[in-house]
Amino acid sequence: GAVVSQHPSRVICKSGTSVKIECRSLDFQATTMFWYRQFPKKSLMLMATSNEGSKATYEQGVEKDKFLINHASLTLSTLTVTSAHPEDSSFYICSARRGSRTDTQYFGPGTRLTVL
Amino acid sequence: AQSVTQLDSHVSVSEGTPVLLRCNYSSSYSPSLFWYVQHPNKGLQLLLKYTSAATLVKGINGFEAEFKKSETSFHLTKPSAHMSDAAEYFCVVSDLANDYKLSFGAGTTVTVRA
Repeated sequence: GAVVSQHPSRVICKSGTSVKIECRSLDFQATTMFWYRQFPKKSLMLMATSNEGSKATYEQGVEKDKFLINHASLTLSTLTVTSAHPEDSSFYICSARRGSRTDTQYFGPGTRLTVL
Repeated sequence: AQSVTQLDSHVSVSEGTPVLLRCNYSSSYSPSLFWYVQHPNKGLQLLLKYTSAATLVKGINGFEAEFKKSETSFHLTKPSAHMSDAAEYFCVVSDLANDYKLSFGAGTTVTVRA
């Protein structure tokens, strides 16, 4: 149990285009989902926290108009990178958590975004 | 504020020998502590977690960690390394002060020699 999927696993796009990444909890309902960014050989940086049916909370320094997050249901959250630029190239990982704040976060397999 | 320091950026061991990954934490509250493993270009897998129950925590794949409050440590060990243990390992802390968001250590890269 507690499986989280991401789609796509890998995407290449042209500069200026937008890219949508999906995160799904396959066998549980996730009240809260998180989006992280990981640079090569670096740790994970929390970008934002999204709760089902409400606006996402962004960490300091993360542009909310550039990284649009929607948590439409208890099993789906999407991250849209708008007007992508080469510096947005990164590994994006989502995680999902059940109701309690102390519950374990389960991570998706990640999405490799390359912006040309 | 909560934080984690992984004391070794890289650990190299021979197959069949013990593995020790060191982690010190800082937290003003009763923390939850985790070890996650990440294989190349993959997501994170939970190895084990401590949430104020038994101080010796057993995880998957033969890993275990011991919570030592007096030393503010949560070191990860495995008695006998396997080639498949080669990966990146993250020590992670969360507590009430940070609304239980996860704070990651910088990671330790484990290589296993045949």
